[in-house]
Amino acid sequence: DQQVKQNSPSLSVQEGRISILNCDYTNSMFDYFLWYKKYPAEGPTFLISISSIKDKNEDGRFTVFLNKSAKHLSLHIVPSQPGDSAVYFCAASASRTNFGNEKLTFGTGTRLTIIP
Amino acid sequence: DARVTQTPRHKVTEMGQEVTMRCQPILGHNTVFWYRQTMMQGLELLAYFRNRAPLDDSGMPKDRFSAEMPDATLATLKIQPSEPRDSAVYFCASGLTPTFNYGYTFGSGTRLTVV
Repeated sequence: DQQVKQNSPSLSVQEGRISILNCDYTNSMFDYFLWYKKYPAEGPTFLISISSIKDKNEDGRFTVFLNKSAKHLSLHIVPSQPGDSAVYFCAASASRTNFGNEKLTFGTGTRLTIIP
Repeated sequence: DARVTQTPRHKVTEMGQEVTMRCQPILGHNTVFWYRQTMMQGLELLAYFRNRAPLDDSGMPKDRFSAEMPDATLATLKIQPSEPRDSAVYFCASGLTPTFNYGYTFGSGTRLTVV
């Protein structure tokens, strides 16, 4: 039962354009969402997060949007750069409704390739 | 930069052998996770500890996997006996909880191949 789904295994985007990565979730108890970035032979690194009390969070070139009614979040990268080529994982947690529940549930990842 | 250290980086072993993976969490972090990356499932949670106490190991096959934290600087994940389907990359992560910032720090992983 995949509670966090990333339906696009891969995405190719021209350098300088916008990259949009999507994520859907099924568990309505999830209230905190994160994106992690992973390069080959390295562990995932935290990129950006959003709480369910917000619908948008921005950090430089990265913006995460949350649509609670659709149980959908997206990560926008603009402009895309070659160094953004990596696998991006969406993750979720049910923190507020189960305080102390620290674990993250991850999606299967989307491989983003930025074409120079 | 503080980092999570995992050893070994690579392990090739024969089916039926015992495998031990080690993790040194970041000093001061009180929560440690073990995740496994597979192509089909992405990152699956195997087990996690807070203040060295196991909180959830429901993701682990209990008959062959075991996870422990002998002390605050070491977490171990053992597989005995190993099987080819255990081939994957195993990640350890640590963090300071409770917190509403879930930017846990991951190690570089142990790539396990069981032949």
